[in-house]
Amino acid sequence: DIVMTQSPDSLAVSLGERATINCKSSQSVLSSSNNKNYLTWYQQKPGQPPKLLIYWASTRESGVPDRFSGSGSGSDFTLTISSLQAEDVAVYYCQQYHITPYTFGQGTTLEIK
Amino acid sequence: QVQLQPSGPGLVKPSQTLSLTCAISGDSVSSNSASWNWIRQSPSRGLEWLGRTYYRSKWYYDYAVFVQSRISINPDTSKNQFSLQLNSVTSDDTGVYYCTREDMSGYTDYWGQGTLVTVSS
Repeated sequence: DIVMTQSPDSLAVSLGERATINCKSSQSVLSSSNNKNYLTWYQQKPGQPPKLLIYWASTRESGVPDRFSGSGSGSDFTLTISSLQAEDVAVYYCQQYHITPYTFGQGTTLEIK
Repeated sequence: QVQLQPSGPGLVKPSQTLSLTCAISGDSVSSNSASWNWIRQSPSRGLEWLGRTYYRSKWYYDYAVFVQSRISINPDTSKNQFSLQLNSVTSDDTGVYYCTREDMSGYTDYWGQGTLVTVSS
């Protein structure tokens, strides 16, 4: 199975500042057939299911604010929130969908400093 | 807009069978461009993909190895829904169970609300 490891486990950022979350996979999730990274980012708030933010490592889902961006390739990925808003407080997960079983990172809790 | 509505018992006794159903609206369980997954979440194990079913001229099934001997995911085309059966449950199977849709590209774009299942006598 591909192991997904996020860092840090928790993060406190001031409103309006940048938040950066990292995700590393135990093997590459880049497909040689289409040159796409099979990596998503989700946001989960208490009592709700995860919400899709980013797919193909860097494609923003429709309706997701442009302060959210994804980058990286191969085995190293980053989710960046350019200017933290109060409503961004949540747990963030990365997931690989390159090979089943699809696997998730352990989550990063984002709080306001 | 796709909506997924899970249903089923919230309490299951150890060694018995956990059974959940997910009703689909806005899409078809027989779609050639989607797959239908079950994912669960617990504080101790995080988010775990359990398995999926999908139709590409015939039905296919994929299961996570750690539950492969105990799990069955089945479509019900007459009711446009799919189900999860997990046999011989233990307290480790306690968690929130989500039914989800996987886009044909592979990423999960829709999640049901989640249903808490507790395994306890």
